[in-house]
Amino acid sequence: QVQLVQSGAEVKKPGASVKLSCKASGYTFTNYYIHWLRQAPGQGLEWMGIINPTGVYIRYAQEFQGRVTMSRDTSASTVYMDLTSLRSEDTAVYYCVRAGCSSITCSKGIDYWGQGTPVTVSS
Amino acid sequence: DIQVTQSPSSLSASVGDRVTITCRASQSISTYFNWYQQKPGKAPKLLIYLASTLQSGVPSRFSGSGSGTDFTLTISSLQPEDFATYFCQQSYNIPYTFGQGTKLEIK
Repeated sequence: QVQLVQSGAEVKKPGASVKLSCKASGYTFTNYYIHWLRQAPGQGLEWMGIINPTGVYIRYAQEFQGRVTMSRDTSASTVYMDLTSLRSEDTAVYYCVRAGCSSITCSKGIDYWGQGTPVTVSS
Repeated sequence: DIQVTQSPSSLSASVGDRVTITCRASQSISTYFNWYQQKPGKAPKLLIYLASTLQSGVPSRFSGSGSGTDFTLTISSLQPEDFATYFCQQSYNIPYTFGQGTKLEIK
């Protein structure tokens, strides 16, 4: 069965960086894009970026440009999301998700979600 | 970016009620539109994709409709397990954007 298993909770100080991981299993890793989303406490869902696990296509949301880097290790079926210069507003649960398509315009929705990684930024 | 506006932000209803949640996209997106249910402390779960296609395993009391810019999620007869927060989302182009959510509460 398809699974996305994320790394554990993080507590960071303002100005620090965090690197989250997301290990995929149960499907052909290179066939589907992985997206990263986040959800601040009591808030909605915010799209951060997308990575094609072949590594050829990576795009970030404008508001994270310069602070976020997404990467992958194909041999480990794992994607990573590195966020730098953390501030209190980055406190959120971060999700890696799989859209059920191998294209940007996706007719299948986000069909699999990681369990979420809580990140707390506090001095 | 495509903006998605969802209403209402909260809704009180009783078991057995029929409820409707609406979303509007800021530009035409055909039917590249999806609905999710989220319960406290859990990741969202896909309910409906391509505006009206029920995800496998989702009860038939959930239905979706719409195309272009206006979309609707309907729950025909609320069950106790349906009290949750619902989000809509466009998958026409990146950045994927979500509605602000509708919290469905027991009256």
